[in-house]
Amino acid sequence: DIQMTQSPSSLSASVGDRVTITCRASQGIGNDLVWYQQRPGKAPKRLIYAASTLQSGVPSRFSGSGSGTEFTLTISSLQSEDFATYYCLQHNVYPRAFGQGTKVEIK
Amino acid sequence: QVQLVQSGAEVKNPGASVKVSCKASGYTFTAHYIHWARQAPGKGLEWMGWIYPSSGNTNYAQRFQGRVTMTRDTSTTTAYMELSSLSSDDTAIYFCASVTYSGGSDFDYWGQGTLVTVSS
Repeated sequence: DIQMTQSPSSLSASVGDRVTITCRASQGIGNDLVWYQQRPGKAPKRLIYAASTLQSGVPSRFSGSGSGTEFTLTISSLQSEDFATYYCLQHNVYPRAFGQGTKVEIK
Repeated sequence: QVQLVQSGAEVKNPGASVKVSCKASGYTFTAHYIHWARQAPGKGLEWMGWIYPSSGNTNYAQRFQGRVTMTRDTSTTTAYMELSSLSSDDTAIYFCASVTYSGGSDFDYWGQGTLVTVSS
């Protein structure tokens, strides 16, 4: 099975900060990667698909990059509503696999 | 608008089974996969499998093989996930999601989640 490893597991940041989250796959997955945001008590919300394509309705401060085994999610200027947990998901092979999550907290 | 509405919270004894429903509306039910994922308290997301409503074909994560059954009723546009031989490790929020990941699709809608508590 493919393992998806996110780093860091958590981070503290301030409003306006640039934040980067990394997701590494244990084997190449092309660009078959999705990023989700999950707020407490809510269902996940897709932010990015195909590694770098912004989901409709998602603010442009979110961006994704990478292919193969290394991917990044960047928030260019953190807003208060962005404090949440972020997950990557690979859909290249079965079983689908989520990363363990990165919790973004207020500094 | 697209909606997935899941059944209510359940409390089950160890060894029992649970069946969670996911009622879809606002789109063509047979056109998109229904995935199931779960999240234990304070933990991350875990993918369980999918069902393709058009054909009824399923794909389950190996760790749930033999314990999970995903079905659908196209007449009521409802998907079901049944998990048997429950243990305390199965205490989690269970989510359904109607998603297409391939072909550059952005179709991705989730239910509100169903809390399943396994306790004696």
